[in-house]
Amino acid sequence: NAGVTQTPKFRVLKTGQSMTLLCAQDMNHEYMYWYRQDPGMGLRLIHYSVGEGTTAKGEVPDGYNVSRLKKQNFLLGLESAAPSQTSVYFCASRGQGSDGYTFGSGTRLTVV
Amino acid sequence: EDQVTQSPEALRLQEGESSSLNCSYTVSGLRGLFWYRQDPGKGPEFLFTLYSAGEEKEKERLKATLTKKESFLHITAPKPEDSATYLCAVQAGYGGSQGNLIFGKGTKLSVKP
Repeated sequence: NAGVTQTPKFRVLKTGQSMTLLCAQDMNHEYMYWYRQDPGMGLRLIHYSVGEGTTAKGEVPDGYNVSRLKKQNFLLGLESAAPSQTSVYFCASRGQGSDGYTFGSGTRLTVV
Repeated sequence: EDQVTQSPEALRLQEGESSSLNCSYTVSGLRGLFWYRQDPGKGPEFLFTLYSAGEEKEKERLKATLTKKESFLHITAPKPEDSATYLCAVQAGYGGSQGNLIFGKGTKLSVKP
């Protein structure tokens, strides 16, 4: 099925560990986004990309890095995980000239 | 600063009891206002986009309307399967957040049979 796929779906990390979340879309979309969702906070933009090889900071970028080496993939990295990064992470994409976002099913990350 | 406020935070309805959810916003040139539905453990699912004041869109029991300051999501004769969190988001036409969606915190709707 066409859409946005996120891996892994669940992960538990220890403080200081690193990991990479993968987002893949098969709709040939130009724009891709990483959001985090916390109780009572709503969805907040971490980083985004307007095309292959480009990335930009969103509202809450500290502690995260991203890469968009291929158009279909957008990676979110945590170099040294902290308990404050416990959250549900959503990836989204949209096409050029389209305002609609398509979201993945999320990655639930717990940092202990 | 671009901002989206949704009310109420939670709404409990009996099946068939119609009501409305509110989304008020301040944004630097509204490019679009979006409504999403989110079920527990899943990503947001697109419902509607509204672009200008006076615009209305409908889908089954849902109807979204837009004014210059707010949007309403009207739910007519809701069913238990309408239970979900409804998210509102705006897209600015210019400024630092141009093109990116800014979300409200959502309204959690529960419909009891």
